[in-house]
Amino acid sequence: KNEVEQSPQNLTAQEGEFITINCSYSVGISALHWLQQHPGGGIVSLFMLSSGKKKHGRLIATINIQEKHSSLHITASHPRDSAVYICAVKETSGSRLTFGEGTQLTVNP
Amino acid sequence: DAGVIQSPRHEVTEMGQEVTLRCKPISGHNSLFWYRQTMMRGLELLIYFNNNVPIDDSGMPEDRFSAKMPNASFSTLKIQPSEPRDSAVYFCASSLDMDTYGYTFGSGTRLTVV
Repeated sequence: KNEVEQSPQNLTAQEGEFITINCSYSVGISALHWLQQHPGGGIVSLFMLSSGKKKHGRLIATINIQEKHSSLHITASHPRDSAVYICAVKETSGSRLTFGEGTQLTVNP
Repeated sequence: DAGVIQSPRHEVTEMGQEVTLRCKPISGHNSLFWYRQTMMRGLELLIYFNNNVPIDDSGMPEDRFSAKMPNASFSTLKIQPSEPRDSAVYFCASSLDMDTYGYTFGSGTRLTVV
């Protein structure tokens, strides 16, 4: 069992739909990151969370520390949101990030 | 700031050759990370430096891999000799304070060993 599990692995949506990507982890963490990787490979850090909720534009990230679960929401999705979304956790002990396998999102016009 | 700068963007080399990947972190960032991304294994941490000192190199696959950070503005990841299974995208990331500011990733180096 991976320490960080994402669901779904693949997600196809129509433009305008509300999208949720989930991340569950099994270790104690000091922070959880949501990353975006576009075709062509560059990785962009979207959010870093240690509690509660953060919002940036159409993106919302939430975390429930007790349940060891985080969600990334995209409102009014757009084809340019098509990318791989990766959840990563920084364990309480140590400095390394442990990554989920990513969710491939495709938003069709 | 231009962000984390990696070079080269693409590298194709023959098996057995030495490969050197380079990274310039964001000025003022005191932590630097080398990651490798493959289809099979996803993103993996190879090595992490704090204030130019290697802190965690447990992800370095074997002795063929070595990393250095001679100063705060430059790091190298060297593979000698290279093998086809080293083909991957290698990312460098830097951070000012991992728990407060998160990480900034470079654009990656796509390495192909033939």
